[in-house]
Amino acid sequence: NAGVTQTPKFRILKIGQSMTLQCTQDMNHNYMYWYRQDPGMGLKLIYYSVGAGITDKGEVPNGYNVSRSTTEDFPLRLELAAPSQTSVYFCASSIAGGSYNEQFFGPGTRLTVL
Amino acid sequence: DQQVKQNSPSLSVQEGRISILNCDYTNSMFDYFLWYKKYPAEGPTFLISISSIKDKNEDGRFTVFLNKSAKHLSLHIVPSQPGDSAVYFCAASTVKSGNTGKLIFGQGTTLQVKP
Repeated sequence: NAGVTQTPKFRILKIGQSMTLQCTQDMNHNYMYWYRQDPGMGLKLIYYSVGAGITDKGEVPNGYNVSRSTTEDFPLRLELAAPSQTSVYFCASSIAGGSYNEQFFGPGTRLTVL
Repeated sequence: DQQVKQNSPSLSVQEGRISILNCDYTNSMFDYFLWYKKYPAEGPTFLISISSIKDKNEDGRFTVFLNKSAKHLSLHIVPSQPGDSAVYFCAASTVKSGNTGKLIFGQGTTLQVKP
């Protein structure tokens, strides 16, 4: 099992460019999450999904979009990159919702917007 | 509004000694708390958790204590080992809010265990 994989590992974008951060899990987990971590800050939830075709906003959704067409994949889309989106992005998954189900994290994507 | 706070950005301890990492929260609705550990260039991994119906949970060298009246929890690592050097995140959630599993994270504390 690869667990949760994220691509790319690093990316530099110019202001106004767009990109998609890829996330795939092979654990057949229903729930998937996108977080961002800014320097010196904790992880903040951007979007989450409780199953294929179902997504919802987290704490900081502005400037991002997501889709969940399959159980395995949960891509995060940045349409018009801004310097404020410079961050490390983590994708996570869990077998089910609720606090008791452990979230498994990918290794992260470090994004810089210049 | 930082609902979960880890006020110590870093902590350095000697190998074999106790490491104590602290976490404070403001939202009295939180009823489940977790600690995650993160190594550089890796994602966080779950370490230990505690429900608000308990005041202590132990797993090997790791013990989490919860003081609900003070809205404070702490992670004790005894004895500390160099491999424990990592960033530790405290996280909280509200079981009653539904089945979303949404977590609120603290800022993290970087632990360095010196040989």
